Amino acid sequence: KAGVTQTPRYLIKTRGQQVTLSCSPISGHRSVSWYQQTPGQGLQFLFEYFSETQRNKGNFPGRFSGRQFSNSRSEMNVSTLELGDSALYLCASTISGGEETQYFGPGTRLLVL
Amino acid sequence: GDSVTQMEGPVTLSEEAFLTINCTYTATGYPSLFWYVQYPGEGLQLLLKATKADDKGSNKGFEATYRKETTSFHLEKGSVQVSDSAVYFCAILQGGSEKLVFGKGTKLTVNP
Repeated sequence: KAGVTQTPRYLIKTRGQQVTLSCSPISGHRSVSWYQQTPGQGLQFLFEYFSETQRNKGNFPGRFSGRQFSNSRSEMNVSTLELGDSALYLCASTISGGEETQYFGPGTRLLVL
Repeated sequence: GDSVTQMEGPVTLSEEAFLTINCTYTATGYPSLFWYVQYPGEGLQLLLKATKADDKGSNKGFEATYRKETTSFHLEKGSVQVSDSAVYFCAILQGGSEKLVFGKGTKLTVNP
């Protein structure tokens, strides 16, 4: 069974631009969570989607948003990019969320110049 | 809120040495506990997990026991290999939540 895939793997943007990242969960998984990883703050939860609905949200500004499609694929969008948004963005999937093990993708590394 | 504290790195060991990475947590109730590993340039891989008190998770020679009385989940391996060089993250997941709370990570380097 294929794992979680994320595209693109690397991205370079400039301040003020916006970016969209994509995540395809493991087949049959309906819950997708997003995390931001930075050297300073470590791994932080962004949000979680299940059946096209956002169920949980972390403490990030409204510039960070996401959505999930009927095939469970998810996208996250960051608008008006700031230098501090440079990070590795990881998504993880589970069958239905809750206490299940989350399986992570390889991440998208975003560099904001 | 929930939090995880793990020992500061980096940790440098010689091949075949014994490894311990300490992890303690603060949480209400009975969270599930996890160790994830991240190799250079990659995402997170689940190493092992435990879901209730006194459970022992194990995988690839690594072990960790869920100690509720000390709110700890220390990672151990009896004999490390060069291929174990990576960053290790301790994490907790509250029941009914989809939000993993991670420690800061511990970088392990194993020299031949």
